[in-house]
Amino acid sequence: DTEVTQTPKHLVMGMTNKKSLKCEQHMGHRAMYWYKQKAKKPPELMFVYSYEKLSINESVPSRFSPECPNSSLLNLHLHALQPEDSALYLCASSQVTGENTEAFFGQGTRLTVV
Amino acid sequence: GQQVMQIPQYQHVQEGEDFTTYCNSSTTLSNIQWYKQRPGGHPVFLIQLVKSGEVKKQKRLTFQFGEAKKNSSLHITATQTTDVGTYFCAGAWIGTYKYIFGTGTRLKVLA
Repeated sequence: DTEVTQTPKHLVMGMTNKKSLKCEQHMGHRAMYWYKQKAKKPPELMFVYSYEKLSINESVPSRFSPECPNSSLLNLHLHALQPEDSALYLCASSQVTGENTEAFFGQGTRLTVV
Repeated sequence: GQQVMQIPQYQHVQEGEDFTTYCNSSTTLSNIQWYKQRPGGHPVFLIQLVKSGEVKKQKRLTFQFGEAKKNSSLHITATQTTDVGTYFCAGAWIGTYKYIFGTGTRLKVLA
């Protein structure tokens, strides 16, 4: 199984809503990532978890809150988002952090904030 | 800050023509990865280059890493319609383990 599964595939939320994005992998990977991708732009790194601990936060606003309950799961909790946060949110995993690591990406959650 | 630029931004080719995208980093890289993202899809890993001057081939695709480890290229020979998509390089800097994606090159292949 070389899949990274993200749910939901699409999400529309209001600016006062609280929602969560979920990501799951069963490849035994110990590094997991959240990226944000706007249309026609490259993926931008948001967070990196290594062995279930947050190791990189790319100065992401606190309205995005990541969580790694175990080595297979990664969540992104959303609260009080702005319309400019609308984007494709990609989860990825890799065997370990460090060099020589291939990242496997999920299909993404297309988020629209209204 | 650290930046990874790619040129060209867009490329339209006739099927059967060759295509090359170039990736340039502002600082020396530890290694570089290449990804392909089809329209409406997610990035899919193609290859990783680690050594200075390294060249790797995958069928019609040839990847190069520059001698100074600051630039890389992807060359596709005799493009096919299945090659359509955006090609991203992603560089990692020495001493870090986060990959910064390049700006991407969007390829269209006309049949």
